[in-house]
Amino acid sequence: QQQVKQSPQSLIVQKGGISIINCAYENTAFDYFPWYQQFPGKGPALLIAIRPDVSEKKEGRFTISFNKSAKQFSLHIMDSQPGDSATYFCAAPRWGTGNTPLVFGKGTRLSVIA
Amino acid sequence: GAVVSQHPSRVICKSGTSVKIECRSLDFQATTMFWYRQFPKQSLMLMATSNEGSKATYEQGVEKDKFLINHASLTLSTLTVTSAHPEDSSFYICSARGGSGYTFGSGTRLTVV
Repeated sequence: QQQVKQSPQSLIVQKGGISIINCAYENTAFDYFPWYQQFPGKGPALLIAIRPDVSEKKEGRFTISFNKSAKQFSLHIMDSQPGDSATYFCAAPRWGTGNTPLVFGKGTRLSVIA
Repeated sequence: GAVVSQHPSRVICKSGTSVKIECRSLDFQATTMFWYRQFPKQSLMLMATSNEGSKATYEQGVEKDKFLINHASLTLSTLTVTSAHPEDSSFYICSARGGSGYTFGSGTRLTVV
């Protein structure tokens, strides 16, 4: 059972454009929604995260939009740069709260071309 | 911020031998650590949850006798891949909840030849 469904699987964006990656979840107990960025051969690094009491969070060029009623959250990368080319994962705590492991989406391979 | 240090970053071993991977929380105490495995071009799959001072909890389909986890202190968890085979070649990553979120180690690339 896939608890977080991520799309698209891959994305090609022109430099300066907007990259949008979507994630849908099933468990309404989830209380933390992070996005991770992973470069080849490296561990995932937290990019930005949101809690369900807000609908949007922005940090620099990265924005999370959260739609609680639709059980969806998305990552927007503004002014995309070649250095943003990486794999992005959405995730959520398996059991919502407490010291619970994260479950991950399948990932989106982003390529930003000049 | 919370930092998790993972070693080694790369290891090549012969089939049938054992390999130990260490994961340390540097500036916080981690009563629980999570171990993931990632195959090429795939997502992170949880293998087990490591609890300090008690037995690890393994995910369905993960052989606990093959992947030995020890969490003897609040800052160190180890994963030992016993009698490794080529199909165990993968990227192993540890994680812990520290600070305001989850922190991941830099990963260990295991190649079994």
